[in-house]
Amino acid sequence: KAGVTQTPRYLIKTRGQQVTLSCSPISGHRSVSWYQQTPGQGLQFLFEYFSETQRNKGNFPGRFSGRQFSNSRSEMNVSTLELGDSALYLCASGLGTGGYGEQFFGPGTRLTVL
Amino acid sequence: KQEVTQIPAALSVPEGENLVLNCSFTDSAIYNLQWFRQDPGKGLTSLLLIQSSQREQTSGRLNASLDKSSGRSTLYIAASQPGDSATYLCAVRDSWGKLQFGAGTQVVVTP
Repeated sequence: KAGVTQTPRYLIKTRGQQVTLSCSPISGHRSVSWYQQTPGQGLQFLFEYFSETQRNKGNFPGRFSGRQFSNSRSEMNVSTLELGDSALYLCASGLGTGGYGEQFFGPGTRLTVL
Repeated sequence: KQEVTQIPAALSVPEGENLVLNCSFTDSAIYNLQWFRQDPGKGLTSLLLIQSSQREQTSGRLNASLDKSSGRSTLYIAASQPGDSATYLCAVRDSWGKLQFGAGTQVVVTP
């Protein structure tokens, strides 16, 4: 069974631009979560989707948004990029009741904002 | 608000020694706890998941215990190898359904 895939793997953008990241969960998984990882802040939760509905949201500004499609694939969008948005963005998919079972992570998308 | 702490932040051991990694959390109302490893610049690899009703979980050289009442989990890695060098993270699924991570313990196993 294929693991969680994320595209693209690397991105370089300039301040003010917008970016869209994609995550394809493991087949059969209905929950997808997104995290931002930086050396200073560690892993921070962005949002979680289950069956196309946003179930939980972290403390990030409205510039960060996401959605989930009927095939469980998810996209995350960041508008008006800032230098501080440079990070590794990870997504995870889960099985079990409500998707709260074991979480499996993708390889991440490394975003650099210049 | 659930807070997850991992101490120490870094650990270095000689090959063959057993590793003991600690994770503590402030709110005992959890769904489950999961241990991950992360290699530099990579995603997280799931190691073990312990449900809130379980006391421990084992996989090969890995054993994780959970004591909900004291808010602690311990990951034991037997007979460490250089390939075990990585950052180990614990994460708690809190009562709101959010997965809360600790900052991790960076492990170096020297040959």
